Amino acid sequence: DAGVTQSPTHLIKTRGQQVTLRCSPISGHKSVSWYQQVLGQGPQFIFQYYEKEERGRGNFPDRFSARQFPNYSSELNVNALLLGDSALYLCASSFPSGLSYGEQFFGPGTRLTVL
Amino acid sequence: KNQVEQSPQSLIILEGKNCTLQCNYTVSPFSNLRWYKQDTGRGPVSLTIMTFSENTKSNGRYTATLDADTKQSSLHITASQLSDSASYICVVSAPPEGSSNTGKLIFGQGTTLQVKP
Repeated sequence: DAGVTQSPTHLIKTRGQQVTLRCSPISGHKSVSWYQQVLGQGPQFIFQYYEKEERGRGNFPDRFSARQFPNYSSELNVNALLLGDSALYLCASSFPSGLSYGEQFFGPGTRLTVL
Repeated sequence: KNQVEQSPQSLIILEGKNCTLQCNYTVSPFSNLRWYKQDTGRGPVSLTIMTFSENTKSNGRYTATLDADTKQSSLHITASQLSDSASYICVVSAPPEGSSNTGKLIFGQGTTLQVKP
C-alpha cells in the first residue's frame, strides 16, 4: 500500500517567487492537512481540508493558500516567498473517525529552501 | 493559550539504556494525545494515541502514560537501540469548534534523542 506521497522532495526558490507543493493522501482518506516545520521546531499547522472544503486554518499570512481536488489530493501554494518560508512542508492524511482528526499519517515532506 | 511543552529538549543515552521523555500541556478541552517519532528529514510516524480515559498505551518498547488531571504525559523507551535516535514529538488534539472544522492538533517542539553505542 502506498503511503502519503509528496512532490517535489526538494525545492530551491528565490525571494519573491511562488511555489506549489503537492500531496496525495492514502487511498480512502478524505482529509488532508498541511504543516510547516522549521529546523529544530515542531510542525506548525497551516491548513486542513476535508471533502474538498477548508476546515481549519493556522496563523499563516494570506500568501499561503491551498486546495483539495475531487480525488482528495491537495496543493499548497505560497506566493511572494520570504527567506523565513524555508522549511520542511509536511502533508498528513487521515480518515476522520470518532477521534478528532482520526490518526494522521504523514508524508516524507518537501524541503523548501528560499535564497 | 493552548500549549504543549516537552522536556528535555535533547537527550543522549547509551544503547541498551532506558529513558523517559516528558510532555506537559495546557490544551483544554482535550480530545487525545499522540506521540510521534520523526527521523531527520522525514515525516513523523505515529507511536501511540491515547484518549483522556486511557492511562497507558504500549507499542513494542515504547510505553506512553497519560495523567489527564495534571495534564502530563510521558514516553518511556526500554532497552534503547541505535535506531531510536530521532525526534519525539508530543501532539495534543483539541476537539472541533462548531461543525465547520475537525479540531486542531497542537505540536510540542520535540525532544531529540541520540542513542550512542
